[in-house]
Amino acid sequence: QQQVKQSPQSLIVQKGGISIINCAYENTAFDYFPWYQQFPGKGPALLIAIRPDVSEKKEGRFTISFNKSAKQFSLHIMDSQPGDSATYFCAATLGGSQGNLIFGKGTKLSVKP
Amino acid sequence: ETGVTQSPTHLIKTRGQQVTLRCSSQSGHNTVSWYQQALGQGPQFIFQYYREEENGRGNFPPRFSGLQFPNYSSELNVNALELDDSALYLCASSQNWGPYEQYFGPGTRLTVT
Repeated sequence: QQQVKQSPQSLIVQKGGISIINCAYENTAFDYFPWYQQFPGKGPALLIAIRPDVSEKKEGRFTISFNKSAKQFSLHIMDSQPGDSATYFCAATLGGSQGNLIFGKGTKLSVKP
Repeated sequence: ETGVTQSPTHLIKTRGQQVTLRCSSQSGHNTVSWYQQALGQGPQFIFQYYREEENGRGNFPPRFSGLQFPNYSSELNVNALELDDSALYLCASSQNWGPYEQYFGPGTRLTVT
């Protein structure tokens, strides 16, 4: 049973546009929601993360919006650049010393120049 | 600050063989988690090590085993390799306190023929 559902599977955005990736989770006990960026042949890199007591977190061009009642969270990439072209994964965890990450299936983002 | 390193980068093994993958955690981190990432999928949690003991395990058979050493580095061992074990194996390190962010290494690409 997949506990984190991610959409869309792929996304094409023009340079300068806004990229939006959505995730939904099932386990209300999750208390940490990170986003990872992965380039081909590389390991995932932590991009930004949020806890459920905050509705929004912004770091540079990247923003997480979190809706606890709907059990949904999303990543917004403002002013998308060709260098942002990568696969993005949302994840969730119970945190603590046993915080194994449960990942979505990923979104392949292509930013066209 | 030294990041997470993994060795080897690539590995080709034959079905039925055994393999050992290695991971050095990021400086200051005492917890190591291993993930399997099949092509086109999100990483799947294998197990986590803290204080040289297994501290949580995902849905993987016992032929997947690990070790953590006093310097917090870790090994992943897989016995009786199967074709479906072909994947990118990722190691992530973290602290067992504080924000619990997990930082991934570049991975080891295992091909089983």
